[in-house]
Amino acid sequence: KNEVEQSPQNLTAQEGEFITINCSYSVGISALHWLQQHPGGGIVSLFMLSSGKKKHGRLIATINIQEKHSSLHITASHPRDSAVYICAPRRGSARQLTFGSGTQLTVLP
Amino acid sequence: DGGITQSPKYLFRKEGQNVTLSCEQNLNHDAMYWYRQDPGQGLRLIYYSQIVNDFQKGDIAEGYSVSREKKESFPLTVTSAQKNPTAFYLCATSTQETQYFGPGTRLLVL
Repeated sequence: KNEVEQSPQNLTAQEGEFITINCSYSVGISALHWLQQHPGGGIVSLFMLSSGKKKHGRLIATINIQEKHSSLHITASHPRDSAVYICAPRRGSARQLTFGSGTQLTVLP
Repeated sequence: DGGITQSPKYLFRKEGQNVTLSCEQNLNHDAMYWYRQDPGQGLRLIYYSQIVNDFQKGDIAEGYSVSREKKESFPLTVTSAQKNPTAFYLCATSTQETQYFGPGTRLLVL
């Protein structure tokens, strides 16, 4: 069993829809990153959170450490949100991350 | 502009050849990482370095080597011992809060 499981693997939505991507992990962690990878391959960090909820524009990330689960929500989705979204828990005090295999999101106009 | 540069963008390797991927950063970060990405799989850690002149193996270090002689530079050598080197290679740095990624190098074997 993978340490990090993301669902769904692929998601197609219509512009304006509310999107949810889920991440479950099996090990104890100190924090969790959500990353965005565009078709060219470049990756940007969206959030790092260790508890509760964070919001940045139309993006919202939540985490429940006890349940080992995190979600990324996108409100009012737009075609420019089309990308791969990657969940990456961080163990302990080390900064090394373990990566999920990603969710491919396609938002249609 | 502050950031991470990786070169080249595409690299071709012949059988039995060693190749070196460049990673340079001007973010003044101590920690640097090399990851490998294969289609449909998550990124996997090859090597990391917390400070100059020190580095540790990650999960898939076999067939790779690194050096960290300067804070700004963390080159990765893919040796002929790496039997399946075709992949997308990403260099990263980190602070306590965030990881920063370079644009990546795509390595192909001829």
